[in-house]
Amino acid sequence: EPEVTQTPSHQVTQMGQEVILRCVPISNHLYFYWYRQILGQKVEFLVSFYNNEISEKSEIFDDQFSVERPDGSNFTLKIRSTKLEDSAMYFCASSGGDRGLSNYGYTFGSGTRLTVV
Amino acid sequence: DQQVKQNSPSLSVQEGRISILNCDYTNSMFDYFLWYKKYPAEGPTFLISISSIKDKNEDGRFTVFLNKSAKHLSLHIVPSQPGDSAVYFCAATTTYNFGNEKLTFGTGTRLTIIP
Repeated sequence: EPEVTQTPSHQVTQMGQEVILRCVPISNHLYFYWYRQILGQKVEFLVSFYNNEISEKSEIFDDQFSVERPDGSNFTLKIRSTKLEDSAMYFCASSGGDRGLSNYGYTFGSGTRLTVV
Repeated sequence: DQQVKQNSPSLSVQEGRISILNCDYTNSMFDYFLWYKKYPAEGPTFLISISSIKDKNEDGRFTVFLNKSAKHLSLHIVPSQPGDSAVYFCAATTTYNFGNEKLTFGTGTRLTIIP
């Protein structure tokens, strides 16, 4: 079964440093997403991306965050200057918009645990 | 602004019995609902979904019921098995924006199946 792959699985960074979280979505998917889950809290939407541009973003996704699809396969989330409160699990997801599938083909990766110290 | 709520943070059920997980929503624009199962350090795994034009959807041991007037849905697992122990998230979306379905998640219910 096709998978969404995220690297690294765990990243530790110092406050103020830049981090890039990487994702390889399912190859024929067109829509890409980042979500995050702070420990013990709910999964929250950050941003959606389609046709090489952001289609929607949440209040969390401020100027410190950016996304990019640098080539045909990778989808990255960059945090320019990390804060302690950015510590969370970050999940990438992709979908093909196929309404024939019961989950719209909406598939999550296994996440990157970001720890800011 | 909690548009999707799961009021029970945890639930324990004997193996073989029925597990019922509940979810309430406030946004009338939501027209598609999904249940995800999540293990620690893993991404959410899709379980079952339901469109707002239906009131029930069944897939094996999993059934989701939707009560639109009450803005309430529930997930029934019968019979419950030890492998069902996980955190279950309810999620909702509006499908007007084709393919760009932002999911709004509830806070999750930790289900523990007691052998």
